[in-house]
Parts: sequence; structure tokens; C-alpha cells
Amino acid sequence: NAGVTQTPKFQVLKTGQSMTLQCAQDMNHNSMYWYRQDPGMGLRLIYYSASEGTTDKGEVPNGYNVSRLNKREFSLRLESAAPSQTSVYFCASSLVLFGNTIYFGEGSWLTVV
Amino acid sequence: SQQGEEDPQALSIQEGENATMNCSYKTSINNLQWYRQNSGRGLVHLILIRSNEREKHSGRLRVTLDTSKKSSSLLITASRAADTASYFCATGEVSGSARQLTFGSGTQLTVLP
Repeated sequence: NAGVTQTPKFQVLKTGQSMTLQCAQDMNHNSMYWYRQDPGMGLRLIYYSASEGTTDKGEVPNGYNVSRLNKREFSLRLESAAPSQTSVYFCASSLVLFGNTIYFGEGSWLTVV
Repeated sequence: SQQGEEDPQALSIQEGENATMNCSYKTSINNLQWYRQNSGRGLVHLILIRSNEREKHSGRLRVTLDTSKKSSSLLITASRAADTASYFCATGEVSGSARQLTFGSGTQLTVLP
């Protein structure tokens, strides 16, 4: 099992450019998440999808959009990247919303210059 | 905002010693989870303790929960160099139909060979 797969692994963007982070899970999980991790800040929830067809804002949604394409896939889009969005982004999934075990992808390192 | 706060922020010990990390939180919780993150990787779930449990074991891991003090501790016994990682607590809260999982900022554990 691949688990949670996210791409790309590394990306450098110029301020104002747009990009989409892709995420897919093969565990038949209902819920999916996007987190960002900054030094000393832990993980902060950007957006989540409780189930296919629904998305909700997390703690830090500004500057991002998401799409739950189907049960497997949950993408994160930066419409106009800003240096403040330089971070490590993690996609995650769980069987139920904020369930007992959340499975994480390996992370995407994004630098906005 | 962060619910769980780990202490210490960094811990360095010799191989074979025990490592203890603490997590304090502010509001009532349904469960508390511990995750591990190796450098450059995603988070991996270690153990979950429910609010009505006081202690739980998994291999060399021992987790305690004191809901009266709103704190938890993670003990790793007989540490190994491979235990070097960041450890995060995450508090699960349930309020009516709303569920939430909030991560702390982590403890960086270094186990010296």
C-alpha cells in the first residue's frame, strides 16, 4: 500500500505564481486534510474534507483553495503565492473525521521567492 | 491556536536512557494522541489514550494522561539512536457534532550513540 501520496516533493515559486499540490490516498478513507508545518509552530490545519463532496476551512485557510476531486484525491491550490506561504505542506487522511489515527504523506517543501 | 504544548522543546540523551516528554493542554479532550516525525518525513501515529484512561503501553512506549492536570507524558524506555525524531501530541476534542484534532509544536529528541 502506498498510503498517502503527495506531489510535488519540492517546488520553488515566484511571488504571484499559482500552483496545485496533489494528494491521493489508497486506504478508502473518508476524511482528508491539508496541514502546513512551520518551524516552532507545529502543524496547522489549512482545509479539510470530512467526506467526498464536502470541504471546510481549518485554522489558516487564507490564500488557499481545495478540491475533493473524488474519495481518493484532495488537492490544495495556491492562487497567488506569497512568501508567507513558504512552508512544508502535509496531506493526511483518516477513516473518520479527526479519527483515531491520521495517516500523513511525506510532505511537500514549497519555497516562494 | 495550539491546544497541546510539549515540554521540553528539545531533549538530548544517551542511548539506553529513558526519554520523557510532556504535553499540556487547555480544554476538555476526548483523546490524546502522540505522533513521531523523522527528519524530512511525515508524521506517524504512535499511540492514542482516551480521556477515561490513565495509562497505556505499546512496546517501549508508555503514555500517561492526567485529565485533572490537563497533561500527558510520553516515556520511551531504553532509547535507541533510531528514536531520534520530533514527537508531537495531538488533542482530540468532541463538542456536539463537531470534532477537532490540534497538534502541539513538538519535542525534538536526540539520542546519542
